[in-house]
Amino acid sequence: RKEVEQDPGPFNVPEGATVAFNCTYSNSASQSFFWYRQDCRKEPKLLMSVYSSGNEDGRFTAQLNRASQYISLLIRDSKLSDSATYLCVVNMASGGSYIPTFGRGTSLIVHP
Amino acid sequence: DVKVTQSSRYLVKRTGEKVFLECVQDMDHENMFWYRQDPGLGLRLIYFSYDVKMKEKGDIPEGYSVSREKKERFSLILESASTNQTSMYLCASSTTGNYGYTFGSGTRLTVV
Repeated sequence: RKEVEQDPGPFNVPEGATVAFNCTYSNSASQSFFWYRQDCRKEPKLLMSVYSSGNEDGRFTAQLNRASQYISLLIRDSKLSDSATYLCVVNMASGGSYIPTFGRGTSLIVHP
Repeated sequence: DVKVTQSSRYLVKRTGEKVFLECVQDMDHENMFWYRQDPGLGLRLIYFSYDVKMKEKGDIPEGYSVSREKKERFSLILESASTNQTSMYLCASSTTGNYGYTFGSGTRLTVV
């Protein structure tokens, strides 16, 4: 069982739609969480960190639910340029250190 | 901006060759990571390092080794390249604290 799980999609939505992705993790000692965006044939880039209290950056909102061990990303008013793969990243506790573990990504396609 | 530079964007090597992939970061980050990314499998951690001359195995270290002689440089070595090591290789770095990871632009390695 993979430690970080995401629905691979693709999520196919029209411009202006609201879309949400979830990501579940198995290690309850996980310390920190991030959402990354990866465009085709490019490297992943940090979209936003995820804080316990939830955080918002423009059209993007990230939430953490430690009790249920999942994080979420909400995108409002989707743009064509939001089309990409969204990776969740969980820092997993391992022998006193923390190792970043990536989900396999959720593909988003925004169409006109 | 933190810059993580990978020495080659594309590489073609023959089976059995020894291959060196270089990664250099310019922001004095303590932590460095090597991943490979394959379709449907996501990013998988090969090796990581939290300090100079320190290395730890990730999830798939077989067939690889690493070297970190200087803080800014983390090299991935394929001792004897095989066709199943054809992949996109991504280097990342981070500092201590909850600030996320910065990736290089990747090296697409083809072993023939």
